[in-house]
Amino acid sequence: KQEVTQIPAALSVPEGENLVLNCSFTDSAIYNLQWFRQDPGKGLTSLLLIQSSQREQTSGRLNASLDKSSGRSTLYIAASQPGDSATYLCAVIAGANNLFFGTGTRLTVIP
Amino acid sequence: EAGVAQSPRYKIIEKRQSVAFWCNPISGHATLYWYQQILGQGPKLLIQFQNNGVVDDSQLPKDRFSAERLKGVDSTLKIQPAKLEDSAVYLCASSLIPGQPDTQYFGPGTRLTVL
Repeated sequence: KQEVTQIPAALSVPEGENLVLNCSFTDSAIYNLQWFRQDPGKGLTSLLLIQSSQREQTSGRLNASLDKSSGRSTLYIAASQPGDSATYLCAVIAGANNLFFGTGTRLTVIP
Repeated sequence: EAGVAQSPRYKIIEKRQSVAFWCNPISGHATLYWYQQILGQGPKLLIQFQNNGVVDDSQLPKDRFSAERLKGVDSTLKIQPAKLEDSAVYLCASSLIPGQPDTQYFGPGTRLTVL
C-alpha cells in the first residue's frame, strides 16, 4: 500500500527566504507526482505535475524535483511571499489515476 | 470554463442523521472522484466513477456511505447514519481522459460537522 509522508508538518519563514518542502513515498511504481496548494476553506489547486519519466518541473518561483528510485520529491519555493502562505500537499498518482496524498505542510510566510 | 461545483458548502448535522452532498464535474469529464479530508490529514479517495460505472470503491465505508452517478454527469454522496468521525471536508474532483493518468480538478468541498 502506498504511503506518502511530508516533512515538516508546519514551517514559518520570513518573507524573501527560499525554502524546501519534502515528500517521500513508499512504492516507486507511480505514474506521476503532483504538488497542490490548499487555502483555508477552499479546494486544491494544482501547482506542478511531474511525470514519472521526468526529474523536475518549474513554474515561476516554484521548482519540483522527483527521484523515483529513492521515493522522494521536493518543492522549492524561491523568494517566498506572504501570499504563499497555505498548506502544500504532495500526491503520487498510481493505479487507475488514483491520488495518494501526504498529510501536507502548513507554510506561513511572515511579512 | 466552469470548474467543479459542489453543494452545500457547509453542513452541520447530529449523529445518526443522514446527509447528502452533490457534485457537478467539469463538462465532458468522464471520471469523477469523491475524497474525504479529515482535519490535519491529506484527502483520501472514497470512490471513483468512470462515466456512470464504479472504478474503485475499496475505501468507501459501504455500511453507511453510498454514492451514485446515474447519468454519468453529476453525482451524489450520501451518509446514513452519520457518525462523529465523519466530520471532514468532502472533496469532489473530475478528470477528462478515462483509464489513464490525467490531471484532476477539484471543487471547493463540503465541510461536514457531525455533533
